Amino acid sequence: GENVEQHPSTLSVQEGDSAVIKCTYSDSASNYFPWYKQELGKRPQLIIDIRSNVGEKKDQRIAVTLNKTAKHFSLHITETQPEDSAVYFCAASTSAGRRALTFGSGTRLQVQP
Amino acid sequence: DTEVTQTPKHLVMGMTNKKSLKCEQHMGHRAMYWYKQKAKKPPELMFVYSYEKLSINESVPSRFSPECPNSSLLNLHLHALQPEDSALYLCASSQDWDLRSGEQFFGPGTRLTVL
Repeated sequence: GENVEQHPSTLSVQEGDSAVIKCTYSDSASNYFPWYKQELGKRPQLIIDIRSNVGEKKDQRIAVTLNKTAKHFSLHITETQPEDSAVYFCAASTSAGRRALTFGSGTRLQVQP
Repeated sequence: DTEVTQTPKHLVMGMTNKKSLKCEQHMGHRAMYWYKQKAKKPPELMFVYSYEKLSINESVPSRFSPECPNSSLLNLHLHALQPEDSALYLCASSQDWDLRSGEQFFGPGTRLTVL
């Protein structure tokens, strides 16, 4: 089955700096890669996603890149703000077979004001 | 309506109790999910329903019993739980199980404590 590894487990940056979180996946058939943000005591919320026919996607300060050959994808947050502090989860899924999302272990991002 | 709702928000139960968690969505989604989340861990898939049929059971103990009465509702019946079952239980839904048509939305969760 699919295995998703996520690094780092914790990340502390100064306000205004950039943050990068990386994930690798094992199943070459995976074709959907969402990123979720979960604030303390809240539900996971989708912040950006990418499908395997696209190499990069951007939404304001957030971007995701996908390298299908290397089987890794990354989340980039620029100009970080204190409200970006949360736990971020990457995930991967296929459109056939098991289909359900497999989550990475999470990254706790702390943005220091 | 672009929201998944869950009740109750909090639940405390003894090991001999029977209780149910409820989840509802009115987005016309055909796939619904139950996840269990422990502190500082990712959501862990328990069950997937697609078109009201159970499609995935991740070897969940029988003390957890899911039910999908219709396309908008998902229940999780709890019986004879153990203290280690204490966790945040998240419901989610998506247009289709294969996520081709859109994202998976999570509900706010039920914080369950088993005494």
